Order: sequence, then structure tokens, then C-alpha cells
Amino acid sequence: QKEVEQNSGPLSVPEGAIASLNCTYSDRGSQSFFWYRQYSGKSPELIMFIYSNGDKEDGRFTAQLNKASQYVSLLIRDSQPSDSATYLCAVNPGSGNTPLVFGKGTRLSVIA
Amino acid sequence: DVKVTQSSRYLVKRTGEKVFLECVQDMDHENMFWYRQDPGLGLRLIYFSYDVKMKEKGDIPEGYSVSREKKERFSLILESASTNQTSMYLCASRLRTGSNEQYFGPGTRLTVT
Repeated sequence: QKEVEQNSGPLSVPEGAIASLNCTYSDRGSQSFFWYRQYSGKSPELIMFIYSNGDKEDGRFTAQLNKASQYVSLLIRDSQPSDSATYLCAVNPGSGNTPLVFGKGTRLSVIA
Repeated sequence: DVKVTQSSRYLVKRTGEKVFLECVQDMDHENMFWYRQDPGLGLRLIYFSYDVKMKEKGDIPEGYSVSREKKERFSLILESASTNQTSMYLCASRLRTGSNEQYFGPGTRLTVT
């Protein structure tokens, strides 16, 4: 059973701080990695994806991938109250048409 | 911009009714997916479709069926709705392979009474 694990939270950070969200996955052959943000009552919104080891930056967001440790993380710099949401990690465990495997999400709360 | 639309945002049905949930995408994506999301259980895959007229069971297909007659449209059917099918239903689509980004529709909150 391919698994993606996330701490459910809530993770509370003060406004302006760095929020660090972590995700581990079980399938060493996993190819690509995605982060979604989901506000309460809304659908998931894709915010970052990463395919190669290392860091990928997009505005205040940085995705980090370490395939040797089977670990992917999302850093949010200068956290804002509007970043308060649940963040879902998703992993493509193979190539071709394999469905993504989703973690259950980490709830982030940014305190003003 | 990728656009995935779902036929209803909110739906209330009675036990035993046949329910159709429609999903349409406008980006010529081959792969389409139906999930349900419940508190504490996360996203669970019901069915997916690689391409037109193709379908595969996901993790929880019991009580559901699907139809993909056109590339842009993927329908989820609850043959006889039950109260345990009350949930948020999410449709998603992506280009052919898993390396491509997957986009979700706005969701349908279905209540079965």
C-alpha cells in the first residue's frame, strides 16, 4: 500500500514567521510531488509541484524534495492569516496514468 | 487557465434516488478523476478514467458507477443513493501522465436524507 504521511496539525505560527509543512512517502519510485492548499469548504488548489531533488521557489513558497530520505516539505515565508488552510501533499507513485496518492493534510493556522 | 466545472455546488437527494454528478473540463485532458472527501478520512478515489470510454476502479467504487462518453465530460452515478454517501464530491483532471499537474473542480456537497 503506497502511503503519504502528514502531521494533521494544527500547526500554529505567528504572522510573519516561516511555516514548515512536512510530508513523507513510502514508495521510493515516486516521480513527482505536489502541494495543494484547501480552504474550509473549498476544493484543493495546486500551489507547487517539484520533480527533482532540491529546492523550488515560487514567491513566498518553497518546495523541498529529498528522494533519498523520501521526504518533501513546503515552506511558507512571511506567513499571513490568509495562508490559514489545510495543505495536502500528493505523490505520483509511478509513471503513466497512475493516480496521485494524497496525504490527509496538515491544518495551518497563522495567528495575527 | 485550466477550468474544471461541476454541475452543482450543493445537492440534496432522498435515499434510493439515482444521482448524477457531472464534471466538465476545457483543457483537453486525458485523465479525469472522482474523489470523495470526508472529515478525518481525507481524499478517497472512487473512479478514474484514462481516456474516453475508459474507466478504472479506485479505492472505494462500491455504490458508484461512471461514464465517459466524451473526452471533456466525466459523470459519477449513484445508482441508489444512501445516507452514507453524504459527502463532498470532487472531480479532477490532468494531461496524460502523472507528472502533469492535476486540477480540481469546485466540488459538489451532496446530502442524502
